[in-house]
Amino acid sequence: QSVLTQPPSVSAAPGQKVTISCSGSSSNIGNNYVSWYQQLPGTAPKLLIYENNKRPSGIPDRFSGSKSGTSATLGITGLQTGDEADYYCGTWDSSLSAGDVVFGGGTKLTVL
Amino acid sequence: QVQLQESGPGLVKPSQTLSLTCTVSGGSISSGGYYWSWIRQHPGKGLEWIGYIYYSGSTYYNPSLKSRVTISVDTSKNQFSLKLSSVTAADTAVYYCARGRASPDWYFDLWGRGTLVTVSS
Repeated sequence: QSVLTQPPSVSAAPGQKVTISCSGSSSNIGNNYVSWYQQLPGTAPKLLIYENNKRPSGIPDRFSGSKSGTSATLGITGLQTGDEADYYCGTWDSSLSAGDVVFGGGTKLTVL
Repeated sequence: QVQLQESGPGLVKPSQTLSLTCTVSGGSISSGGYYWSWIRQHPGKGLEWIGYIYYSGSTYYNPSLKSRVTISVDTSKNQFSLKLSSVTAADTAVYYCARGRASPDWYFDLWGRGTLVTVSS
């Protein structure tokens, strides 16, 4: 059971827009920045978004991130078949006496 | 550009110690501001952060694994390593090394390709 909750799967047609949610609490998302990772089949995760809404160099602006309260959202516009992947959110969690980096359970994106 | 590469045995027997090394190329592990981390992914599952080491040698471990984990660094070889003791089948996973950033908050901007470690007799 992941500390951060993501929908197991989402789907949309090529060219459309999709959003992936990440729900947490005040001990994690509510008081910390959120990052997002893309994991293409058989590959390592890749950083997509950091500090809630910043994109690393080389990440197209089709990918966007936002945060409100204890939830964060990843948005992808102009969907391409190459976007089919698992997407994970991550943040710091301070619910334990010692903190911990936590991730969501992942969301599988299918581009129909 | 900076690259990370994991290496180590792909098969470990139960109760033994899993040992992996991550070699950093294209940059110095002694560059400040980076937290050299280990993250694992159980088959078909999500990501689990194991811990990190700073080039100075300071470490921080996932509280749920802390009693079994040791992460060390060898700056002369530009490598950092993971040891996980008393392994069981539940430790079977793909192990990734990653470069972490913690200012102002945590994220991992560079990952190795990962290495599958199977715990089995």
